[in-house]
Amino acid sequence: GQNIDQPTEMTATEGAIVQINCTYQTSGFNGLFWYQQHAGEAPTFLSYNVLDGLEEKGRFSSFLSRSKGYSYLLLKELQMKDSASYLCAVRLEAGTALIFGKGTTLSVSS
Amino acid sequence: EPEVTQTPSHQVTQMGQEVILRCVPISNHLYFYWYRQILGQKVEFLVSFYNNEISEKSEIFDDQFSVERPDGSNFTLKIRSTKLEDSAMYFCASSERPSSGSARETQYFGPGTRLLVL
Repeated sequence: GQNIDQPTEMTATEGAIVQINCTYQTSGFNGLFWYQQHAGEAPTFLSYNVLDGLEEKGRFSSFLSRSKGYSYLLLKELQMKDSASYLCAVRLEAGTALIFGKGTTLSVSS
Repeated sequence: EPEVTQTPSHQVTQMGQEVILRCVPISNHLYFYWYRQILGQKVEFLVSFYNNEISEKSEIFDDQFSVERPDGSNFTLKIRSTKLEDSAMYFCASSERPSSGSARETQYFGPGTRLLVL
């Protein structure tokens, strides 16, 4: 089966930096996606990695190591509105479905 | 900014009834998907659709489910005879193309339809 693991919950304070890890063991790999999901809402796209290394987009960065089956999402200068679930998803092949992890619920406090 | 839209936002139905969930994907997107998320659980893939046919489906997508693109803009999910366990949030998603190494393959999600089966 396909396995994607993330921590269930994390807490952090406003202005801080937080790293959310994701490890995966899947039968194929064609990209790793990070989505943000506020309660009761749709997942919104944050970042995408298909090659090893770091992708930076403003306050958010995502890293991938394919040999280790590992990714992380780095959120800088945390704001209260960043309180949400962060979903790691892997695509096995081009054009196929995303396989999601259970998500990490991040709580940001002042 | 273009977005995926879904109707209705909420649907309550009786067990055994048929429901149709509607989606309008982003206009230049070619690949369409349905996912569901049972309350408190992870997002699960149901089916993908390209060029007027199903390209992939999961074990969840059994004979009671069907999808259709009835016209140039809508994409629908039909559940023929709903069960209590079909209660979930159903998300439609679309992507421009699935090729590797391109941001154009990102799947964008609609706001979801919350289905409650009584």
